[in-house]
Order: sequence, then structure tokens, then C-alpha cells
Amino acid sequence: EAQVTQNPRYLITVTGKKLTVTCSQNMNHEYMSWYRQDPGLGLRQIYYSMNVEVTDKGDVPEGYKVSRKEKRNFPLILESPSPNQTSLYFCASRLAGGSGEQFFGPGTRLTVL
Amino acid sequence: GNSVTQMEGPVTLSEEAFLTINCTYTATGYPSLFWYVQYPGEGLQLLLKATKADDKGSNKGFEATYRKETTSFHLEKGSVQVSDSAVYFCALTVQTGANNLFFGTGTRLTVIP
Repeated sequence: EAQVTQNPRYLITVTGKKLTVTCSQNMNHEYMSWYRQDPGLGLRQIYYSMNVEVTDKGDVPEGYKVSRKEKRNFPLILESPSPNQTSLYFCASRLAGGSGEQFFGPGTRLTVL
Repeated sequence: GNSVTQMEGPVTLSEEAFLTINCTYTATGYPSLFWYVQYPGEGLQLLLKATKADDKGSNKGFEATYRKETTSFHLEKGSVQVSDSAVYFCALTVQTGANNLFFGTGTRLTVIP
């Protein structure tokens, strides 16, 4: 089944404790992105990647890192999480070209205390 | 710049009522337009899309027409069901290296029997 998977689905942590949210897709998509969803703000892009070893900042990159060492994986790293990073996070992927349709993972709900 | 303005919610309708959720956009370049749906506790799923002016996207009884002259992409359904209760997001993308989907703030629809 074609899908985007994220882990963990839920995470409660404390300020300053480094964490990684994994994302994997099995559709051989070139593009991958991370978004955060906050009430009243919709979804905002954090980082994106156009292919292996090619990443760039989105609209809200502060406090986050990413890497793209393999085509299928795109982990999101919070080196020192803060309470303002409490949010619902989505990973997405799509093929290069086409209509721009993105496929989303199920989401990771992160709480930073 | 690129942005989406979406009808504020929440919207509560009785079963079999007519639904309209307004969406207007601004874009640099020629955007593709999307409606995504988020059911409770789930990720975003593509509901429908349109890639050029006057295209009509449709799926599951929902429709939206790409209106370039009014920069709009309103979502409609003639007869809603309880199972349509969800959050609906209008979004656009412009084919650039940024791979960004620009989302509206979302509209929560609740359908009551």
C-alpha cells in the first residue's frame, strides 16, 4: 500500500530534550516536506527536500533540522524543543512535476512541557 | 505572494443540507488548487483538485470550480451526510522549487442528524 508513515504518533517531552520524528514514504517520491498545524493558522511548511541531500527552509524553520540521506526517509529533528513547538506535525511527499498533489502522513502530536 | 483565504468556521448543518465553503486565493504564477479533508484523528487526504482555469474538481459528491476571474475555488456539496463531518482545507501550489502547499486556516464542518 502506498503511504507515508510517521513515528511516533504521539509524544510528550520536556524542554531541551532532543527528539526525532521519523517519516518514510514508499512511493519513490522526490519531494518531501514537513508541516506543522496550529489552530487558526492552518498548516505551515517547516522544511522541504527536493531529493537526496537537497533540503531547504520553508516558512517556519526556526528550531528544527532535517536530513535526507535516503530517498524514502526525511526525519525532523528538534535539537532543543521548547513549548512553542507544541503542535501537530505532518510529513508529506509528492512526485516531481505533475499537479503538485502531496500525500500526507497520519500526523505526530507533540507536546513540549 | 501566495495565500489562501478560507471561510471561517465552524459550520454546523443538518443532514441533507447544501454546503458551501468559500475559498479565495492570491498567487504568483499559475497555481494548482486543492481541497484537502481531515477526519477526526487522521491526516489530510486529498478531496479534489483543479489545475487550470474553469476546471471542475469533484469527488464523493463534492465539487469545486477553478475561477481565475474571481480567484476562487469554493467547495460545494448538494446534500451533506453525518460522515462528512471533518475539517476542510483549501490549498494552492505554484510549481517552483519550494514545493510549498499554501493552506487556508481550515473550516470545521459538523453535520447533525
